[in-house]
Amino acid sequence: LAKTTQPISMDSYEGQEVNITCSHNNIATNDYITWYQQFPSQGPRFIIQGYKTKVTNEVASLFIPADRKSSTLSLPRVSLSDTAVYYCLVGPSGYSTLTFGKGTMLLVSP
Amino acid sequence: DADVTQTPRNRITKTGKRIMLECSQTKGHDRMYWYRQDPGLGLRLIYYSFDVKDINKGEISDGYSVSRQAQAKFSLSLESAIPNQTALYFCATSDLLPGEDTDTQYFGPGTRLTVL
Repeated sequence: LAKTTQPISMDSYEGQEVNITCSHNNIATNDYITWYQQFPSQGPRFIIQGYKTKVTNEVASLFIPADRKSSTLSLPRVSLSDTAVYYCLVGPSGYSTLTFGKGTMLLVSP
Repeated sequence: DADVTQTPRNRITKTGKRIMLECSQTKGHDRMYWYRQDPGLGLRLIYYSFDVKDINKGEISDGYSVSRQAQAKFSLSLESAIPNQTALYFCATSDLLPGEDTDTQYFGPGTRLTVL
């Protein structure tokens, strides 16, 4: 499975856009990129998934460059409730097990 | 996610005791997983099952065993608990739906286990 590298922590203020970048230099052709969000003492929750270019849903956007060696999760206009740990995962399609790293702790302040 | 339940939610036990953590799901998924999370660390996979007759070891299976009693139930056992098994344990389910390329995992609320 491709190894991922993301910042340990990030700070932001309410109303700002937050971009969290994940590096995955050895991503395989059939790997997808998935982001999960985890609040304290809760299980992770799926945010967004993509294979290439840009994916957008009601929560976030995911930008993936042509070489797919990195990806950026973009959270528009964050609020205090977006304070959480964000995990970047890379894994093959179909039957797969995902590897959760340490994630990025995002702290949103007033 | 209320579709994935875990019991108990909290458990304190003593070294050497055998305990079982239970997971039930109403999502109708074939795949189920057990993870543990330690403070400041990510989630590590203990065991996973892709259907009732399938059991696979994950990254850190030593000291644990599992049982897939039915599609909806997946139990994790600690045969002889030790203090370094103190952690937050999560159960998850997933499935590969027709037309989709990869699956999404849905997590339970977690069980906080303390081994004294």
